[in-house]
Amino acid sequence: LAKTTQPISMDSYEGQEVNITCSHNNIATNDYITWYQQFPSQGPRFIIQGYKTKVTNEVASLFIPADRKSSTLSLPRVSLSDTAVYYCLVGDTTSGTYKYIFGTGTRLKVLA
Amino acid sequence: EAGVTQSPTHLIKTRGQQATLRCSPISGHTSVYWYQQALGLGLQFLLWYDEGEERNRGNFPPRFSGRQFPNYSSELNVNALELEDSALYLCASRGRQETQYFGPGTRLLVL
Repeated sequence: LAKTTQPISMDSYEGQEVNITCSHNNIATNDYITWYQQFPSQGPRFIIQGYKTKVTNEVASLFIPADRKSSTLSLPRVSLSDTAVYYCLVGDTTSGTYKYIFGTGTRLKVLA
Repeated sequence: EAGVTQSPTHLIKTRGQQATLRCSPISGHTSVYWYQQALGLGLQFLLWYDEGEERNRGNFPPRFSGRQFPNYSSELNVNALELEDSALYLCASRGRQETQYFGPGTRLLVL
């Protein structure tokens, strides 16, 4: 069974840039890579989405190499309120049928 | 514009009972996805509905089922509840774009 893996946890200080990488070796050819932020007992909140190269919006950047087997979420100048769990989401066809696979999640703790 | 809504917010059942969870997608969205998130764990894909049809399902037993109505809202049914079914059940909807937008979830507790 394909796995989409992320570092379990990261610590950072306020004002720093944080980069979280997701490994997705079996991403489906036509699928996008989406990143979400989740606070305890809430639904995931959309951050950014991309297919290849680099995407930037008002809150984050997403870097995707040419082989698309990984992606990196970049959060510039994090604040205490960015403390949350971050997930990547990709489509996967390893099992022969298309399924959505969430990454294992990265617990980011921002320190003052 | 209203986001994805789910009901109830909390549900308490006992083993062997059935649970029904409901989801209303964002207006104009035709696809609905269901995910299970056990306490402290990641999100597992359950079901995908589009235009009233089940498009795919994750690695869950048949007692997890659902349907999508003509107005694109959806129900998730869990029969013969087991203790390990206790989890946050999340619904997401998608329109023409590739982005899934999530609701707040239903917290199911099986005693």
